[in-house]
Amino acid sequence: GEDVEQSLFLSVREGDSSVINCTYTDSSSTYLYWYKQEPGAGLQLLTYIFSNMDMKQDQRLTVLLNKKDKHLSLRIADTQTGDSAIYFCAESASGTYKYIFGTGTRLKVLA
Amino acid sequence: DAGVIQSPRHEVTEMGQEVTLRCKPISGHNSLFWYRQTMMRGLELLIYFNNNVPIDDSGMPEDRFSAKMPNASFSTLKIQPSEPRDSAVYFCASSLSGDGPYEQYFGPGTRLTVT
Repeated sequence: GEDVEQSLFLSVREGDSSVINCTYTDSSSTYLYWYKQEPGAGLQLLTYIFSNMDMKQDQRLTVLLNKKDKHLSLRIADTQTGDSAIYFCAESASGTYKYIFGTGTRLKVLA
Repeated sequence: DAGVIQSPRHEVTEMGQEVTLRCKPISGHNSLFWYRQTMMRGLELLIYFNNNVPIDDSGMPEDRFSAKMPNASFSTLKIQPSEPRDSAVYFCASSLSGDGPYEQYFGPGTRLTVT
């Protein structure tokens, strides 16, 4: 069945790069997304990648997609304390408008 | 645009009471989603509408939950009767369906506590 998996926690030092990983199972997903959730807030769309792309860069964010391994990653360059949050990956379920969300990765940035 | 608006932001109620959560999607969006988030189960899709029509309600936990979308600018999620295990944060999200990329925009959520 459809399942999206992420590691639960990641801790990095301020100024370092963070890499958050995600694996998914639906090979027919058209789009894959990264969302950020800060404490007490809703989910905020960070970026998305179309399934026929390998990489997408947006300022400090780099998304890598390996379709063969069904692996998605989000790299945050020069990580700041304001980047501390939960990061969710999601895939658009084929033939529908709904998402399948991962479990979320809690990123903690140490000053 | 004000974004997705949800009300109330916090709700505390006693077991057995009826609870109604409200959502106003982004103007022009034609898909609306209700999610529930808990520590134990993470983020769960409860139901989604497209052009005001419920498309998939397979995530609705049981008959105590119902959702309506009477028009393009308003939706409700009702729990009757409420139970302590319904305590969670409920999110509404909206998107514009079509050719993609189907970006969903989330509201701030309603934190429900059932005692």
